[in-house]
Amino acid sequence: QVRLVESGGGLVKPGGSLRLSCAASGFTFSDYFMSWIRQTPGKGLEWISFISLDPTFVSYADSVKGRFTISRDSARNSVYLEMNSLTAEDTAIYFCARNKMGQQLADSWGQGTVVTVSS
Amino acid sequence: DIQMTQSPSTLTASVGDRVTITCRASLSVNNWLAWYQQKPGKAPKLLIYKASTLESGVPSRFSGSGSATEFTLTISSLQPDDFAIYYCQQYDSYPYTFGQGTRLEIK
Repeated sequence: QVRLVESGGGLVKPGGSLRLSCAASGFTFSDYFMSWIRQTPGKGLEWISFISLDPTFVSYADSVKGRFTISRDSARNSVYLEMNSLTAEDTAIYFCARNKMGQQLADSWGQGTVVTVSS
Repeated sequence: DIQMTQSPSTLTASVGDRVTITCRASLSVNNWLAWYQQKPGKAPKLLIYKASTLESGVPSRFSGSGSATEFTLTISSLQPDDFAIYYCQQYDSYPYTFGQGTRLEIK
């Protein structure tokens, strides 16, 4: 069965950096776009980035553009989110998700990893 | 960005009831509309996509309808497992956006 396992969350100071990882299994990783989606009590669910099958096409929400970088490694069946210049507004649960084939919606999600930005 | 507005924010109902949740988009999203269910401490789960297509494994008591800017999620006969938060999401244009959620509570 499809399994997505995020790691790398934690407590970081404002202005700091963090790298999230998502290990995928149970499907042919190279056949699917992958995404990161975050959730906060205040702003709800926010789709922040996705990456195409080969990493040539990526997209970001305005709220993270220029600060976050999504990448993938098909040899490791993993997707990553490099987060820089973090602010309190980035405090959230970060979910890794598989995009449904041929469509830009999430048909499988990881359990989430918590990122807290605080001094 | 396309704004997604769900109503009601909270819905109280009993096991066996038929319930409907509405999602309105600020612009037409054609039929590129999905519904998710989220339970406490868990990730959202895809229920319906392309406005009315049931995801594999989802019970047939769930159904979706609508087009353009107005969509509905209907649960024909509520089961105890259905009490959760429901979100709509448009994927017609990036950034893909979610509704604020509808909390379905037990009466």
